[in-house]
Amino acid sequence: EAQVTQNPRYLITVTGKKLTVTCSQNMNHEYMSWYRQDPGLGLRQIYYSMNVEVTDKGDVPEGYKVSRKEKRNFPLILESPSPNQTSLYFCASSLRGRAKNIQYFGAGTRLSVL
Amino acid sequence: GESVGLHLPTLSVQEGDNSIINCAYSNSASDYFIWYKQESGKGPQFIIDIRSNMDKRQGQRVTVLLNKTVKHLSLQIAATQPGDSAVYFCAVPGGTSYGKLTFGQGTILTVHP
Repeated sequence: EAQVTQNPRYLITVTGKKLTVTCSQNMNHEYMSWYRQDPGLGLRQIYYSMNVEVTDKGDVPEGYKVSRKEKRNFPLILESPSPNQTSLYFCASSLRGRAKNIQYFGAGTRLSVL
Repeated sequence: GESVGLHLPTLSVQEGDNSIINCAYSNSASDYFIWYKQESGKGPQFIIDIRSNMDKRQGQRVTVLLNKTVKHLSLQIAATQPGDSAVYFCAVPGGTSYGKLTFGQGTILTVHP
């Protein structure tokens, strides 16, 4: 089944404790992206990647890191989480070119930073 | 930058009615628009898209209308079913970031049996 898989689905952590949210897609998509979703603010892009070893900042990159060492994986790293990073996070992937805007989303990771 | 807004944050309809969800965009140069549906506990799912060289596009039970003059688009759902209950987002590609989508805040559609 074609899908984007995020892990974990739920995570509670404390301020300053490094964490990684994994994202994997099995559709051989070139493009991958991370969004956060907050009430009243909709979905905002954090980082995106056009292909292996090619990443760039989205609208709200502060406090996050990403890497793209393999085509299928695009982990989101919070080196020192803070309470304002409590949010619902989505990973998405798509083909490149004209299809890049038809993005396939994972089920989400709900993160709480205490 | 691009901004996308919705006229109503919530919409409540009876099963079988037609639903209309509206969206306004700010950038007159936008040439592509997408609607996503997000069910509770799930990620957004692509529904339908439309390019600016079209005024209307139809899918299965859904129709998107684009009015470039007033920078407005709408999603119409025919014979709305309880399974259509979800949050609906319009999105536009925005800025210079490759593949970046700017999402509206979403409209919560509730379908009553």
